[in-house]
Amino acid sequence: KAGVTQTPRYLIKTRGQQVTLSCSPISGHRSVSWYQQTPGQGLQFLFEYFSETQRNKGNFPGRFSGRQFSNSRSEMNVSTLELGDSALYLCASTRGGGQMGEQYFGPGTRLTVT
Amino acid sequence: AQSVTQPDIHITVSEGASLELRCNYSYGATPYLFWYVQSPGQGLQLLLKYFSGDTLVQGIKGFEAEFKRSQSSFNLRKPSVHWSDAAEYFCAVVKAGANNLFFGTGTRLTVIP
Repeated sequence: KAGVTQTPRYLIKTRGQQVTLSCSPISGHRSVSWYQQTPGQGLQFLFEYFSETQRNKGNFPGRFSGRQFSNSRSEMNVSTLELGDSALYLCASTRGGGQMGEQYFGPGTRLTVT
Repeated sequence: AQSVTQPDIHITVSEGASLELRCNYSYGATPYLFWYVQSPGQGLQLLLKYFSGDTLVQGIKGFEAEFKRSQSSFNLRKPSVHWSDAAEYFCAVVKAGANNLFFGTGTRLTVIP
């Protein structure tokens, strides 16, 4: 079974621009979560989507947004990029529903903001 | 609020030696606990998880972890480390009723010949 895929793998943007990252979950998984990983803050939860609805949200500014499509694929968007947004963005999928399950992570998208 | 502490930022062990990585959690209820491993430039791979039941859980790659409620700990162990185990290890807890993981700061493992 194919794993979680993320595109693009690497991205370089300029301050003030916006960026969209994509995540395709494992087939049959309906929940997608996003995490930001930086050397200073570590791994932090951004948000989770289940059945096209945001179910949970971390403590990030409104510049960070996401959505989920009917096929469970998810995108996250960061507007008005800041230097501090440089990070590895990880997507994870799980079957979802009412019970906690194992989260399977993709390889991440490395975003560099200059 | 839930939190996870990994006291050791960096550990160096010799190949073939045993390994124990420490994890302490703070949580008001029975936690769901996880250990993940991350190789350089890669995503996170689940090593093992504890939801309930037997407090000693076995994972992949020869790893095991023991849940000790009295010590609020979930330490990861391996009896004999291989050079390929060099990576960063993260302990995580999930908030009840949600699906988001709270991660510790990670422990970087170096394996020397």
